[in-house]
Amino acid sequence: DQQVKQNSPSLSVQEGRISILNCDYTNSMFDYFLWYKKYPAEGPTFLISISSIKDKNEDGRFTVFLNKSAKHLSLHIVPSQPGDSAVYFCAAGSSNTGKLIFGQGTTLQVKP
Amino acid sequence: NAGVTQTPKFQVLKTGQSMTLQCAQDMNHEYMSWYRQDPGMGLRLIHYSVGAGITDQGEVPNGYNVSRSTTEDFPLRLLSAAPSQTSVYFCASSYSDGGPNTGELFFGEGSRLTVL
Repeated sequence: DQQVKQNSPSLSVQEGRISILNCDYTNSMFDYFLWYKKYPAEGPTFLISISSIKDKNEDGRFTVFLNKSAKHLSLHIVPSQPGDSAVYFCAAGSSNTGKLIFGQGTTLQVKP
Repeated sequence: NAGVTQTPKFQVLKTGQSMTLQCAQDMNHEYMSWYRQDPGMGLRLIHYSVGAGITDQGEVPNGYNVSRSTTEDFPLRLLSAAPSQTSVYFCASSYSDGGPNTGELFFGEGSRLTVL
């Protein structure tokens, strides 16, 4: 049973436009959420996080939105750059368990 | 700082063989974990540890053992390798405060394992 789902395997956007990556979760016990970025042949790197007590967190070009009632979060990248081309994973965790569960990933391609 | 170091980077095993994937971190992180990455499946949690002497199962623990005798090291043991364990394995660590900081994982570069 997949607790964290990224339903879009891939996304292609033009340089300078907005990229929106989506993620859904099923477990109401999750109280923090994160996005990671992964380049080929490298380990994932932390990008941005959000606590369940917030609905938005911004860091430069990256903004994460959380809709708790819909159990949905999204990552907005504005403006998108070719160097943003990578696999993006969302992840969700619970302070009670220490487990961090990842989604399947979305491959973002930003075209020059 | 070296961060999170995984060895070996590549390994080929025959079905039934055993091996240990090594993971070491030099950031004094309490939290460590192992994931496997498979096409279409994302990153799946195998085992994790919130401190020395404490380990727990993740989403896909069968066929794997772990131990945490020191803060720095978190080896992953495959007892009897199977082709289904062909994957890329990632070790990760983080500062553990029981909250969001636990999720800010530092990953190793990965170990690619093939079981024939």
